[in-house]
Amino acid sequence: NAGVTQTPKFRILKIGQSMTLQCTQDMNHNYMYWYRQDPGMGLKLIYYSVGAGITDKGEVPNGYNVSRSTTEDFPLRLELAAPSQTSVYFCASSYGIAGEQETQYFGPGTRLLVL
Amino acid sequence: DQQVKQNSPSLSVQEGRISILNCDYTNSMFDYFLWYKKYPAEGPTFLISISSIKDKNEDGRFTVFLNKSAKHLSLHIVPSQPGDSAVYFCAATVWGGDMRFGAGTRLTVKP
Repeated sequence: NAGVTQTPKFRILKIGQSMTLQCTQDMNHNYMYWYRQDPGMGLKLIYYSVGAGITDKGEVPNGYNVSRSTTEDFPLRLELAAPSQTSVYFCASSYGIAGEQETQYFGPGTRLLVL
Repeated sequence: DQQVKQNSPSLSVQEGRISILNCDYTNSMFDYFLWYKKYPAEGPTFLISISSIKDKNEDGRFTVFLNKSAKHLSLHIVPSQPGDSAVYFCAATVWGGDMRFGAGTRLTVKP
């Protein structure tokens, strides 16, 4: 049981380049999330999804796009990379809405450096 | 706005002693609080949680205390073990809302 997997583990991008961060979960969870963690800061929610075909913005969505075509996959797209997007990105999933009844399971993270 | 704050970036404790990690929040609407533990190069993992209707929750060596009037919660680890060395994140949420995380406290437990 792999849980939540993320690829790549590390990537260097040039300003203006695009890339997709992949996230897959094998726990049949309905909810999936993308967070970013900047140095010395807590995780901030970028986007989340409550099920296939449904996505919504979190606290810091600008510069990102997501899609959820299947229950398992929740890719995060950066269209025009900027240095401000240098961060560690975590994908997470939960069966129900995260909170009292449900905890989130996190992937190992993708470290992104934009130069 | 940082609604969840962990004011101590680091904490060092001797093995066998108590570790106390603190967290403050500003949003009185939060109704559920969680602690996550994170090792290097791994994602956070859930440790323990508490509902706003309680003031204490215990799970083995880990106890979380909630003081709603002070908008403060703390995580106690007794006894501390070297394997507890990690970064601990406090998080809070309103049911149906986003989860807000603190910046984390790096705990080092010395043998």
